Amino acid sequence: GNSVTQMEGPVTLSEEAFLTINCTYTATGYPSLFWYVQYPGEGLQLLLKATKADDKGSNKGFEATYRKETTSFHLEKGSVQVSDSAVYFCALSDGTSGTYKYIFGTGTRLKVLA
Amino acid sequence: EAGVTQSPTHLIKTRGQQVTLRCSPISGHTSVYWYQQALGLGLQFLLWYDEGEERNRGNFPPRFSGRQFPNYSSELNVNALELEDSALYLCASRRDPNYNEQFFGPGTRLTVL
Repeated sequence: GNSVTQMEGPVTLSEEAFLTINCTYTATGYPSLFWYVQYPGEGLQLLLKATKADDKGSNKGFEATYRKETTSFHLEKGSVQVSDSAVYFCALSDGTSGTYKYIFGTGTRLKVLA
Repeated sequence: EAGVTQSPTHLIKTRGQQVTLRCSPISGHTSVYWYQQALGLGLQFLLWYDEGEERNRGNFPPRFSGRQFPNYSSELNVNALELEDSALYLCASRRDPNYNEQFFGPGTRLTVL
């Protein structure tokens, strides 16, 4: 079945460091891919998305490129801030049987130190 | 435009009790999804409702059920609560079949003692 594998956390970085959170997927067909962010005590907020191969999603300095050849959707940011501290989830939209339910990775906790 | 809303915010129940969680989707969205975020288990798909019908369910026992009302709001019911049902329950809505992005509510934190 479809699945998402996300790098284990926690990730601790100093402010202005470069961030990469790895995400790979297994899927039949061509799912849409998403990154969501969850701040403490809150629900999920969409960070960015990509709907087809080679699409680059970007938002608030974060970027991820849909790589079909490596089945990856790694999240990157050039310079992190303390306010980026949160849990990040990679997800795919599973179109099996027309459900389009999300399959999530395990989440990666990011802590940015001032 | 108002986002997805959920109630209550927090809930404490004891084993064996029953609970009902509520979700109101974004106006115009016809699909509602429920997910469970339990500690150590990540986010798991629970149920999908569309146009008032249950369309799909995840790998959860039948004591997890729900419904969708004509105004597209939804309820999630959990019977015979068990300790492992303690989790954050997230509701998400989707506009229509041609648009697969989901918008999430803030969640209901259920604690079972």
